[in-house]
Amino acid sequence: NAGVMQNPRHLVRRRGQEARLRCSPMKGHSHVYWYRQLPEEGLKFMVYLQKENIIDESGMPKERFSAEFPKEGPSILRIQQVVRGDSAAYFCASSTDTGGSNQPQHFGDGTRLSIL
Amino acid sequence: LAKTTQPISMDSYEGQEVNITCSHNNIATNDYITWYQQFPSQGPRFIIQGYKTKVTNEVASLFIPADRKSSTLSLPRVSLSDTAVYYCLVGDEDGANNLFFGTGTRLTVIP
Repeated sequence: NAGVMQNPRHLVRRRGQEARLRCSPMKGHSHVYWYRQLPEEGLKFMVYLQKENIIDESGMPKERFSAEFPKEGPSILRIQQVVRGDSAAYFCASSTDTGGSNQPQHFGDGTRLSIL
Repeated sequence: LAKTTQPISMDSYEGQEVNITCSHNNIATNDYITWYQQFPSQGPRFIIQGYKTKVTNEVASLFIPADRKSSTLSLPRVSLSDTAVYYCLVGDEDGANNLFFGTGTRLTVIP
């Protein structure tokens, strides 16, 4: 049973370009979460999605960032017009149908985004 | 306002038992306590979860006193491969579905 798969593992972009990060949840999981982690810091929540719905995006910047989890295919975190401050590790997690903050989340190994 | 407080770092020799304590004074009635482990360049990995008293699995034990305002993760006989950052989390007070990660405890196991 494959775990949470994220790709690419490493992504390099120049300032002003777009970055697309993909996440395939564990089989049977319909809840997806995105987090951002800066060096030497803990993970910061960005957005929580269920299939075709954004449930909580309170941690996501209002501009340039968007997320989706379509009926078919992986969840996508999209960052438009990237800036140096977007450089970070972005982690995706998934949980079972029940969701909730008490439900253990299963994490991928992240995408390390570097902005030149 | 931080939801949990844990030591920033700890060192231990191989073969010793390690106890990492986390304070969560504002834990809500419905909240569980969950611990994650993170190695460099990897995502966090679920270790153990509990509500009260003691929980044990093949990896660790979790001790929770009656007032639930703190918890202790116990790792028996650590090895070098246990060197990692350990995060203590409690459920969000308003029932939101995101996890609040603090800075965690960086455990270094020394040969």
